[in-house]
Amino acid sequence: GAGVSQSPRYKVTKRGQDVALRCDPISGHVSLYWYRQALGQGPEFLTYFNYEAQQDKSGLPNDRFSAERPEGSISTLTIQRTEQRDSAMYRCASSLSPYGEQFFGPGTRLTVL
Amino acid sequence: QQPVQSPQAVILREGEDAVINCSSSKALYSVHWYRQKHGEAPVFLMILLKGGEQKGHDKISASFNEKKQQSSLYLTASQLSYSGTYFCGTASGNTGKLIFGQGTTLQVKP
Repeated sequence: GAGVSQSPRYKVTKRGQDVALRCDPISGHVSLYWYRQALGQGPEFLTYFNYEAQQDKSGLPNDRFSAERPEGSISTLTIQRTEQRDSAMYRCASSLSPYGEQFFGPGTRLTVL
Repeated sequence: QQPVQSPQAVILREGEDAVINCSSSKALYSVHWYRQKHGEAPVFLMILLKGGEQKGHDKISASFNEKKQQSSLYLTASQLSYSGTYFCGTASGNTGKLIFGQGTTLQVKP
């Protein structure tokens, strides 16, 4: 498919475990964004990249959260020592040009027990 | 600061019109509009850049008043397919960081 893909689609983990969420953007898209979305709420900005450079990480809740995009394509959002409050839908989006229209992926539903 | 959307919810009959507003307390560079259906990802509708432009396609259009730090989304002759939650996302500079509003739920009934 030509859209943004995310894996896994669902992740259940125990408190204290580390998780890695993967985003595969649309081919050729320069910018990649990570959001967290609670049920019934708008997406909450976490961080974004232009190519491999992380431009803004001001939305990451704390230092347990990190993201990388080493080759300017696939990105990984890592949450260390997960807590129950980390449970949410994590969405990735990409855009052809910086600041352009964003195409969202299907999301990863994370549940921390 | 999260932009404020109004109304929070609206119910329409097919063929009726609706306006959804998005207001920010910060100066805006751009406003993005998205529609999200239940259980799906948000889908892009349009971007408006500062300059007070108005955009539209089909029966959905939007305006951006930079001075008032507001944007409005206009849905005319609504169709059943317009049902969903509408979000505005605002950027206060030439940046990819979007801050989304809390959403407006639109339900179109036959």
